[in-house]
Amino acid sequence: DQQVKQNSPSLSVQEGRISILNCDYTNSMFDYFLWYKKYPAEGPTFLISISSIKDKNEDGRFTVFLNKSAKHLSLHIVPSQPGDSAVYFCAATPGGRGSTLGRLYFGRGTQLTVWP
Amino acid sequence: DGGITQSPKYLFRKEGQNVTLSCEQNLNHDAMYWYRQDPGQGLRLIYYSQIVNDFQKGDIAEGYSVSREKKESFPLTVTSAQKNPTAFYLCASREGAWTDTQYFGPGTRLTVL
Repeated sequence: DQQVKQNSPSLSVQEGRISILNCDYTNSMFDYFLWYKKYPAEGPTFLISISSIKDKNEDGRFTVFLNKSAKHLSLHIVPSQPGDSAVYFCAATPGGRGSTLGRLYFGRGTQLTVWP
Repeated sequence: DGGITQSPKYLFRKEGQNVTLSCEQNLNHDAMYWYRQDPGQGLRLIYYSQIVNDFQKGDIAEGYSVSREKKESFPLTVTSAQKNPTAFYLCASREGAWTDTQYFGPGTRLTVL
């Protein structure tokens, strides 16, 4: 049962435009959310995160928005660059609660392609 | 230079053989994790360990085994009982209970022939 869903397997955006990657979750116990970026044959690298007490977190060109009532978060990349082309994974966790301490639940990823 | 290392990068084994994947970290992180990535499947948790000498099964632990004898090391053994072992295996670590962010190694591509 997929508790974190990324319904768009791919997204194609022109360089300089905004990329918006979406993520939905079903578990209301999730209170911390992360985005990872992954190139082929490499490990994912942490990009940005957000706690459920916030609705927005910004880091340079990357902004994550959280809508708790809709159980939805999105990652905005502005402006998009060709080097941003990668698979982006959304992850969520209920934080420090019992046996799930530290567990991350991942979506299936969205392949972002930024073309010149 | 701190980080997580996984070796080898590519591994080939014959069907029916057990194989052990290495994961070492010099970040002094308490928790370590093993994930498996298959095309279109995202990352699925195999095993995780919060402290030395303790580990828990993840969602797809069948056919795998782990040990955590040292804080720095969390090797994963893929046994012959694992029906579809060919995959990309990722190891991750987390500093401690005060943070949820995990940091990943470069991965090992295992191909069973």
